[in-house]
Amino acid sequence: EAGVVQSPRYKIIEKKQPVAFWCNPISGHNTLYWYRQNLGQGPELLIRYENEEAVDDSQLPKDRFSAERLKGVDSTLKIQPAELGDSAVYLCASSLARTATGELFFGEGSRLTVL
Amino acid sequence: GDSVTQMEGPVTLSEEAFLTINCTYTATGYPSLFWYVQYPGEGLQLLLKATKADDKGSNKGFEATYRKETTSFHLEKGSVQVSDSAVYFCALSGYNQGGKLIFGQGTELSVKP
Repeated sequence: EAGVVQSPRYKIIEKKQPVAFWCNPISGHNTLYWYRQNLGQGPELLIRYENEEAVDDSQLPKDRFSAERLKGVDSTLKIQPAELGDSAVYLCASSLARTATGELFFGEGSRLTVL
Repeated sequence: GDSVTQMEGPVTLSEEAFLTINCTYTATGYPSLFWYVQYPGEGLQLLLKATKADDKGSNKGFEATYRKETTSFHLEKGSVQVSDSAVYFCALSGYNQGGKLIFGQGTELSVKP
């Protein structure tokens, strides 16, 4: 079974440029998460989707970040314009359901460097 | 707010040494507790979990016991191998956290032959 697929793995851009990350979750997983992991820190949730609905986006900086999950499958996270402080690894994860005891399956992440 | 605190790394051990990585938490309600591991070049993956007080999670020789009285979930392994070198994350999640996983900062483990 294929895992969570993310692309690109690495992206280097100059500040003020836009960038987008793509995620394909495990087939059948209706819950999708975007996390941001700063260097030396644990991942922090940016947004969670239940199917195509964003049910928790309280940590998403909405002035420059946007996300979508059309048709409740693939998802895209966009940053426009990027700032130096956005340099981080962006992780996508999926699960069968939003459950307190459920397991999240993570992709390998997209490492963003903003110069 | 809810949080997870782990011992700082990096932790460097010789092969076959005993491992303990400390994890304590602050949370409302009765969350489930998790250890995730990130091997070099790979994504985070669940190592073990415990869903209620006094439960012991175990996998691949690693163990952790949910201690409500000390709000701890320390990770242990009796004899580490070079292949255990990775970053280990303690995390919690529960209905009071909206099902959101809250992670500690991670502890890097390096095992030398």
